[in-house]
Amino acid sequence: QKEVEQDPGPLSVPEGAIVSLNCTYSNSAFQYFMWYRQYSRKGPELLMYTYSSGNKEDGRFTAQVDKSSKYISLFIRDSQPSDSATYLCAMSGGSNYKLTFGKGTLLTVNP
Amino acid sequence: SQTIHQWPATLVQPVGSPLSLECTVEGTSNPNLYWYRQAAGRGLQLLFYSVGIGQISSEVPQNLSASRPQDRQFILSSKKLLLSDSGFYLCAWSPLKGYTEAFFGQGTRLTVV
Repeated sequence: QKEVEQDPGPLSVPEGAIVSLNCTYSNSAFQYFMWYRQYSRKGPELLMYTYSSGNKEDGRFTAQVDKSSKYISLFIRDSQPSDSATYLCAMSGGSNYKLTFGKGTLLTVNP
Repeated sequence: SQTIHQWPATLVQPVGSPLSLECTVEGTSNPNLYWYRQAAGRGLQLLFYSVGIGQISSEVPQNLSASRPQDRQFILSSKKLLLSDSGFYLCAWSPLKGYTEAFFGQGTRLTVV
């Protein structure tokens, strides 16, 4: 079983839709959870960073962590064409400082 | 504010040639530094990480090496490039020696021909 699983998509939604992106993980040592947005041919940009279970909101973005289920989500409200990108989940914890990434989900928001 | 610089943005190199990619971080001290490679459909693969000057940990056996000659400088090198070294290389830093988020440079797209 891979440490982090993320559906690669692609996911295509109309402008204004609510988008739900998800990752599951197997390593119970993971304590820190991140979402990155990556535009084509650019480096990943940090969107959200959470530590505990529960929700964290930042504008149109909400990150949700359920440690009991080993499941994290990113919700995007009122999606915009500028949200079209690849979204990567990442997490860390345990005996070293490394981040473990999902493979990313390609999102397209159609105007 | 902290910034990370990575260059060049694109690079085309012949097989067997050497490689040197450089990354520098400004506005912080004692960062953790990372080199990743991103291949289509394979996600981000951690190649090297460093927690201090001269301290390099390698994650996968490969044709590449890394060095950290200064606190905020991280270099990725190869003596002889292979076709399989083609990819998108990303440098990243994290601000504390702990479990915190990482910040990425804009990447170098390397094509070995």
